[in-house]
Amino acid sequence: DGGITQSPKYLFRKEGQNVTLSCEQNLNHDAMYWYRQDPGQGLRLIYYSQIVNDFQKGDIAEGYSVSREKKESFPLTVTSAQKNPTAFYLCASKPLGTGAYGELFFGEGSRLTVL
Amino acid sequence: QQPVQSPQAVILREGEDAVINCSSSKALYSVHWYRQKHGEAPVFLMILLKGGEQKGHEKISASFNEKKQQSSLYLTASQLSYSGTYFCGTEMVNAGNMLTFGGGTRLMVKP
Repeated sequence: DGGITQSPKYLFRKEGQNVTLSCEQNLNHDAMYWYRQDPGQGLRLIYYSQIVNDFQKGDIAEGYSVSREKKESFPLTVTSAQKNPTAFYLCASKPLGTGAYGELFFGEGSRLTVL
Repeated sequence: QQPVQSPQAVILREGEDAVINCSSSKALYSVHWYRQKHGEAPVFLMILLKGGEQKGHEKISASFNEKKQQSSLYLTASQLSYSGTYFCGTEMVNAGNMLTFGGGTRLMVKP
């Protein structure tokens, strides 16, 4: 079955450490997204990518970095520069192009806690 | 750039109707609607495109007023399973697939 896989599901990090969240999709989607969600809040866009080797900053990119070396993979690194990284992180993808409506498909999320 | 949703919260009895609104100050290419249960990923409900095309679940209806850059999600004859947080997401015209979300509307359906 096609879908989006995020790992790990739960992650604990000490202050000052970088951590990388994995996102893999086998839907052959061109666009991929990373969102952050704090308790009781909406989804805030961190980064998105429309094509391999290209990505754009969202509304809250500071303290985060991404790469898009393969179409199916879009890992997110939470760096030590991110002051308050404890949150629920959601990866999503969507098809682009003629005939595509472009609805988002979400992964199950990764919950990061900084100790 | 982020859309604004209203109301922030709604409490219904089973069988009652509700309308959730989403508005933007920018020209929109698409409006998306998703529902999220606590601790889970959002689930797709509906997408409405500039020009009138739309795709979604058959029990869900929504509208997109392109002149006003507003969308509404209509929940009729609500069921307990409709409880959750509803998010609208928008893509602006000429913004290259940047998709941002509103703050959400919490819906609680009571027996």
